[in-house]
Amino acid sequence: DSGVTQTPKHLITATGQRVTLRCSPRSGDLSVYWYQQSLDQGLQFLIQYYNGEERAKGNILERFSAQQFPDLHSELNLSSLELGDSALYFCASSATAGLPYGYTFGSGTRLTVV
Amino acid sequence: GESVGLHLPTLSVQEGDNSIINCAYSNSASDYFIWYKQESGKGPQFIIDIRSNMDKRQGQRVTVLLNKTVKHLSLQIAATQPGDSAVYFCAETVNQGGKLIFGQGTELSVKP
Repeated sequence: DSGVTQTPKHLITATGQRVTLRCSPRSGDLSVYWYQQSLDQGLQFLIQYYNGEERAKGNILERFSAQQFPDLHSELNLSSLELGDSALYFCASSATAGLPYGYTFGSGTRLTVV
Repeated sequence: GESVGLHLPTLSVQEGDNSIINCAYSNSASDYFIWYKQESGKGPQFIIDIRSNMDKRQGQRVTVLLNKTVKHLSLQIAATQPGDSAVYFCAETVNQGGKLIFGQGTELSVKP
């Protein structure tokens, strides 16, 4: 157990729907990162939050949004889902906002859009 | 278990042999590099890291070599074991940022 908890582990939904993925970081970690691992793109950085504030943004679609709450857990919202959004979504956490020392990944949420 | 399903380069080695996994990185400004291991159905797991001011770092059974001249990174695993079978990714950060840029990955298969 890495200490980073992601729920749900699996999600199957239809095109056009909206889903929310949840991540609880390791105790004491202030940064949360979201990554997408798809069949053709590998692991791609989506977004980072640090202590509730957006810190860095990658190639995240406008249909996707995220937030980090006061208790430091984070949610990734995916809307108007398309077949191509099917992927593994990983959350990672670290203590700092900068160099990813102690960067720890969760086990991921597998999203299947049908 | 589940797999990513990418068409990854594959390295097949005999148990007990040494493995060398290579990675070319793209950005000469990258200043920190990490190797991750990903087993089927799991998230990436940290193996070893190296800063850009070093050219070699050793861990337990693993060594990372960094050649900044040709922007090349390698992971050497000594006495490879069946439990080492996984997909290995290199990752880089630019200007000490928290965002990681991942390479495509190499699938290591260890034959008993």
